Amino acid sequence: EPEVTQTPSHQVTQMGQEVILRCVPISNHLYFYWYRQILGQKVEFLVSFYNNEISEKSEIFDDQFSVERPDGSNFTLKIRSTKLEDSAMYFCASSRPSGQNRQETQYFGPGTRLLVL
Amino acid sequence: AQSVAQPEDQVNVAEGNPLTVKCTYSVSGNPYLFWYVQYPNRGLQFLLKYITGDNLVKGSYGFEAEFNKSQTSFHLKKPSALVSDSALYFCAVRAAGNKLTFGGGTRVLVKP
Repeated sequence: EPEVTQTPSHQVTQMGQEVILRCVPISNHLYFYWYRQILGQKVEFLVSFYNNEISEKSEIFDDQFSVERPDGSNFTLKIRSTKLEDSAMYFCASSRPSGQNRQETQYFGPGTRLLVL
Repeated sequence: AQSVAQPEDQVNVAEGNPLTVKCTYSVSGNPYLFWYVQYPNRGLQFLLKYITGDNLVKGSYGFEAEFNKSQTSFHLKKPSALVSDSALYFCAVRAAGNKLTFGGGTRVLVKP
């Protein structure tokens, strides 16, 4: 069964450094998402991406964040200058195209645990 | 704004007994409701969803959920719990736009 994959599984970085989290969505999916889960808190939506542009983003997704689909298979989340509060588990998800996209299931990757020191 | 509440942080049940994990939601418009499960060091695995039609939805691993519009609930159920069902369960709603809004999660502990 196809799965969403994410690399790395763990990342430790210094405050102020840039990090890039990578995701390979399911191959025939065209909608891509990033969520994050701060330890002990809810899973929160960050951004959705379709047709090479952001389709929706949350208040969390400020100018420090960016997403990109650099090639036909990868989907990345970049944090330009990390802060302590960016420490969280970051989940990538994808869903297939549909005329009723809200019905489509989002399939999640295993996550990248980011620790900012 | 859409929101999801999972009133129980943890549910303990003996193996073989029925399992219920509660979820209530608040949305404008028709809700699309989802349950996911998270095992240790794993991502969120899709269990089931309600889109339209029958209020009782059947999903993976013997789980089912009942949509109740008047009570704005979507409780997850399993008739006979297994020790391997011990995990973190998340309810989520999607009404407007692309995003899923998650509840806080309920930890299920099934004791042998």
